[in-house]
Amino acid sequence: EAGVTQFPSHSVIEKGQTVTLRCDPISGHDNLYWYRRVMGKEIKFLLHFVKESKQDESGMPNNRFLAERTGGTYSTLKVQPAELEDSGVYFCASSQTRTGGSYTFGSGTRLTVV
Amino acid sequence: GDSVTQMEGPVTLSEEACLTINCTYTATGYPSLFWYVQYPGEGLQLLLKATKADDKGSNKGFEATYRKETTSFHLEKGSVQVSDSAVYFCALIWNSGNTPLVFGKGTRLSVIA
Repeated sequence: EAGVTQFPSHSVIEKGQTVTLRCDPISGHDNLYWYRRVMGKEIKFLLHFVKESKQDESGMPNNRFLAERTGGTYSTLKVQPAELEDSGVYFCASSQTRTGGSYTFGSGTRLTVV
Repeated sequence: GDSVTQMEGPVTLSEEACLTINCTYTATGYPSLFWYVQYPGEGLQLLLKATKADDKGSNKGFEATYRKETTSFHLEKGSVQVSDSAVYFCALIWNSGNTPLVFGKGTRLSVIA
């Protein structure tokens, strides 16, 4: 089965620009998670979708971040406008169930804001 | 809130050396504990897990034992290989599934021939 796919793999943008990250989960996985790792720090939770609904968005840093999951399939995470501190690796994960940590992660998108 | 603390890296070892990466957690109760690994250019992969006290998770020669007395889940391997070079993340989750995975900062391991 195909894994979790994220693109782009790398993105370099200037401060103030907009970037949209995409995540394609494993087919049939209702749960989709976004995480972020800023250089040298923990991987931090951003938000959790169950199908197309936001179950938990407590980790979203501010209103410059907008996540969507139209139709309960792929998800996008838009950063507008991007700031220097948004640089990091953005991971997406999907799972069939919420329990047991049975997540499958994508390879991540490395975002650099200059 | 819940947190996971890992030893600071990077860790550099020669091939066939013993590895220990320390991990302790702060949580009220008994979460499930995990080690994830990220090989260069790849996503996070689950390496092993333990869901209750005294459980031992193992995979690919790696082991970790859930110690509730010391709230620890140290990762060990008796003889590392160059192919083990990666970043290792300790993590916890509550079994209710109502909260997401909580990760440590990660420990980069480099194994040299």
